Amino acid sequence: DGGITQSPKYLFRKEGQNVTLSCEQNLNHDAMYWYRQDPGQGLRLIYYSQIVNDFQKGDIAEGYSVSREKKESFPLTVTSAQKNPTAFYLCASSMGQGSTYEQYFGPGTRLTVT
Amino acid sequence: GEDVEQSLFLSVREGDSSVINCTYTDSSSTYLYWYKQEPGAGLQLLTYIFSNMDMKQDQRLTVLLNKKDKHLSLRIADTQTGDSAIYFCAERDDKIIFGKGTRLHILP
Repeated sequence: DGGITQSPKYLFRKEGQNVTLSCEQNLNHDAMYWYRQDPGQGLRLIYYSQIVNDFQKGDIAEGYSVSREKKESFPLTVTSAQKNPTAFYLCASSMGQGSTYEQYFGPGTRLTVT
Repeated sequence: GEDVEQSLFLSVREGDSSVINCTYTDSSSTYLYWYKQEPGAGLQLLTYIFSNMDMKQDQRLTVLLNKKDKHLSLRIADTQTGDSAIYFCAERDDKIIFGKGTRLHILP
């Protein structure tokens, strides 16, 4: 089955620790995205990547970092510099970056930092 | 800047039609989308409409687009308990912009 997997589904960390969220896709999509979702809020774009070894900041990139060493993988690191890291994180992918390409979403990772 | 607005809540009786409304600001949007999010899950693309269309129907779903007023609606006919979810409207030109989502609650 083709799709996007995110692991783990729930993640707990202590304040001050970096944590990496996994996102893998086997759809052969070129573009991948990370969004943050807070209660009562829409999705906010953190980072996106259109091609391997290249990525761009989204609207709320501060305190986050990404890498894109392989086409199928786009891990997100939430650093200790992120002031409010507790949130639901969604990864998505699309065939390309252009407007004709719809985004497919993974199941999400809920991160709780205490 | 670009913005997408939706009401946050909608309650509908089982069997009635649900109509979820959305307004957007970017007149150059090429595609408009409706996504569904069930509790604790990711977003699932329900349907989309190209900006040169004014209506699209897919089984129980009807999308209406009024490009002049920048208004998009999603009608769900014969609403069922499985339709209970958050529905996101999104517009796309060079990037995709999501609304905050409308939580649809089904009354028995």
